[in-house]
Amino acid sequence: DTGVSQDPRHKITKRGQNVTFRCDPISEHNRLYWYRQTLGQGPEFLTYFQNEAQLEKSRLLSDRFSAERPKGSFSTLEIQRTEQGDSAMYLCASSLPYEPGGETQYFGPGTRLLVL
Amino acid sequence: AQKITQTQPGMFVQEKEAVTLDCTYDTSDPSYGLFWYKQPSSGEMIFLIYQGSYDQQNATEGRYSLNFQKARKSANLVISASQLGDSAMYFCAMREGNQAGTALIFGKGTTLSVSS
Repeated sequence: DTGVSQDPRHKITKRGQNVTFRCDPISEHNRLYWYRQTLGQGPEFLTYFQNEAQLEKSRLLSDRFSAERPKGSFSTLEIQRTEQGDSAMYLCASSLPYEPGGETQYFGPGTRLLVL
Repeated sequence: AQKITQTQPGMFVQEKEAVTLDCTYDTSDPSYGLFWYKQPSSGEMIFLIYQGSYDQQNATEGRYSLNFQKARKSANLVISASQLGDSAMYFCAMREGNQAGTALIFGKGTTLSVSS
């Protein structure tokens, strides 16, 4: 069973450009989460999907950010008109519909974004 | 107020010794879950151990155990017989409530350095 994968692993872009990240969850995991982690901090929640439905969005997800999960499998996170403050690690996690004792989120390796 | 507090920015331990990483939490929800994740320099968040608020016994997973003191709202991670490969950032996280699809709230992490 492969884990959560993310692509690309690293992205350098210039301010004002658009970037898109992809996340492939563990197969059969119907829940998918995006988090952002800045230097020296723990991850912060951005948004959550159950199958293809986006059920929750954090206030951190400004209108420049959009996430999709069109077929309930992989997900994309797009940042438009990037700003230097968007520089961070973007982490994706997925979880099973049900686990005894409670849901556990399994994370991917992350995409490190640097906005110049 | 912070929901998850990790007061140790860095910890140092020698190989084969045990180490305790502190975590305190704050919630008024009677149902919650506590997690520990390891983040090596590569960036991936690796799930280590889970403790549910109603679990009577402390969770254990191999060399990892969780010292859960509900009245004190603490959930310390104990790593026995440290190995060089344990050097990483460690995050404590909480899920409030028992509903699936709830975002994790992370602490700021503790850097563990294991020396030979």
